[in-house]
Formats: sequence, structure tokens, C-alpha cells
Amino acid sequence: DTGVSQNPRHKITKRGQNVTFRCDPISEHNRLYWYRQTLGQGPEFLTYFQNEAQLEKSRLLSDRFSAERPKGSFSTLEIQRTEQGDSAMYLCASSPPTGWETQYFGPGTRLLVL
Amino acid sequence: EDKVVQSPLSLVVHEGDTVTLNCSYEVTNFRSLLWYKQEKKAPTFLFMLTSSGIEKKSGRLSSILDKKELFSILNITATQTGDSAVYLCARNQGGKLIFGQGTELSVKP
Repeated sequence: DTGVSQNPRHKITKRGQNVTFRCDPISEHNRLYWYRQTLGQGPEFLTYFQNEAQLEKSRLLSDRFSAERPKGSFSTLEIQRTEQGDSAMYLCASSPPTGWETQYFGPGTRLLVL
Repeated sequence: EDKVVQSPLSLVVHEGDTVTLNCSYEVTNFRSLLWYKQEKKAPTFLFMLTSSGIEKKSGRLSSILDKKELFSILNITATQTGDSAVYLCARNQGGKLIFGQGTELSVKP
């Protein structure tokens, strides 16, 4: 399967713990996006990268959230001091240099903060 | 931030029915509008619309964009149970996608 992959698929953690998610985009896709989706809502944009550069961050991305894409390939999203309100599906998407407007999504990481 | 509004929020139909899903938005200056299908997992891409009045078609699904009236519709003809899903529309604003709430479609046998 050459689609976007995300790990882990599920994560249960206790409030106050740190968690890190990984996203591997489709090969040759230089843009990578993170979204968050809660039940009954559409995905909400968090941040995106073009190669290594983080080009935009949403106001939703508090200081407890940090994303990296150090080599322009995979990306990590870390949440520090998790809160119950962080419980959501975290989706990663990627898009190619040509036709960058179409984003292809990974299966998501479902986070539950107890 | 300008919203994307989808209607109806949920819809129940029987196999064979035709459905029309609506997506309206507020900004006039954006690059494209996209439709996705989400079935308990990641959204899968259906259509990208950039020009007003040009219909995109794939099998039983079709979509059109009206930039003057600021809306798009997704039509599904001869619905099947496998069409049951949440249908999301999103406008592309400088790279990021701004999604609507989605329309949950349930197709009964």
C-alpha cells in the first residue's frame, strides 16, 4: 500500500502525559498536513509543511502542540501535557508538487485522553 | 474564519433513490472546492472543482460548482448501501482545507 500511513492507529493516555504521532506521506509528496477531527465534525486544519518548512499553524495549535518534519519526509505531531479535550482523531494528509490542491488522507490516529 | 456549511446534516434514503447534497461557502476568492467520502476512517477524495458550471462526473456521482451563488452540489444517482458514509466538502484556502460539518448519508436496502 503506497498511501499515507499513520502510527499508532489508536492511543489511550492519561491526562498530563505526552504523546507523539507519526505520519509517513505518499512518496514524492512534498506537502504534508495535520488535521484534527472530533465526533460529528469535519476535520479542522492544524498545520502544514512544504518539504521541511512549516508554512502555517492554526490558532487551534496551542503551545502544547508541536509538529516537525525534519527531513522533508515523515512528520511527527507531539502533544504535551494532554488534556481530555485533546481526545480526537488526528488525520495526516499529503499532496504532490503538481496538483497540490488535492490532499490524500491517512487512516488517522485516534487519541483518547482519560 | 469563513465557514463552509453543508446541508442536510443527515439523510436517510432507500436503495435506488437519487440524493443531492449541498455545500455553501462565504468567501469568493479561493482556489478550489473538494468533495470527500468518509466511511468510519480517513476521507477519500471524490472531486475537485475549480471552475463554475463545469460538471465533474464519476460513475453514479457528479458534482458542480456555482461561484456566483457560492455553492456546490454532489449528486448520487441510483444509491446503493455502499454509498452510506459522511460526505465532506472543503474549500482550499491557500493550501489548507476548510471543511464543512459533513452530511451523513444512510442508504437502506
